[in-house]
Amino acid sequence: GENVEQHPSTLSVQEGDSAVIKCTYSDSASNYFPWYKQELGKRPQLIIDIRSNVGEKKDQRIAVTLNKTAKHFSLHITETQPEDSAVYFCAARGAQKLVFGQGTRLTINP
Amino acid sequence: EAGVAQSPRYKIIEKRQSVAFWCNPISGHATLYWYQQILGQGPKLLIQFQNNGVVDDSQLPKDRFSAERLKGVDSTLKIQPAKLEDSAVYLCASSPRGGGLNTGELFFGEGSRLTVL
Repeated sequence: GENVEQHPSTLSVQEGDSAVIKCTYSDSASNYFPWYKQELGKRPQLIIDIRSNVGEKKDQRIAVTLNKTAKHFSLHITETQPEDSAVYFCAARGAQKLVFGQGTRLTINP
Repeated sequence: EAGVAQSPRYKIIEKRQSVAFWCNPISGHATLYWYQQILGQGPKLLIQFQNNGVVDDSQLPKDRFSAERLKGVDSTLKIQPAKLEDSAVYLCASSPRGGGLNTGELFFGEGSRLTVL
């Protein structure tokens, strides 16, 4: 079955700097890669997603890149702000199951 | 539109006791998921329903966990008997469609936090 590895587990950046979170997946048939943001005590919410027929997608300060050959995808957050502090989860859908990574706790330092 | 509703939000029980969680998905969403999220980890899929049929329950500990989705709407997840390692947040999610190439956003509920003493 699908296995998703996410790195780093924690990330601390200065406000205004960029943050990058990376994930690898095992199932070459996976075709959908969403990123969820989870604030403390809250539900996970989708922030951006990418399908396997696209290499990059941007939405304001966030972007996701996908390398199907290497089976990895990354989340990029530019001009980070305090409200970006949260846990971020990547996920990959192979067959009919969405498998999540272990999460990255992002802290934005003022 | 109303979101995914879950109850109870918090439950504390002793090991070997039983507990049940309820989920009401977003109206019209055919696919319903139960995820277990242990502190510091990503959500792990326990069971996925498409309408009232089970699509995947490969990671559901069937000796103690059970779930049903009668009439293809509400769902209940039961644990009996509970173990210490079942302490986690149980997240219910729904999506308009699921499976195959029909990828779609999952809408999560607030979760039910279980503590087993």
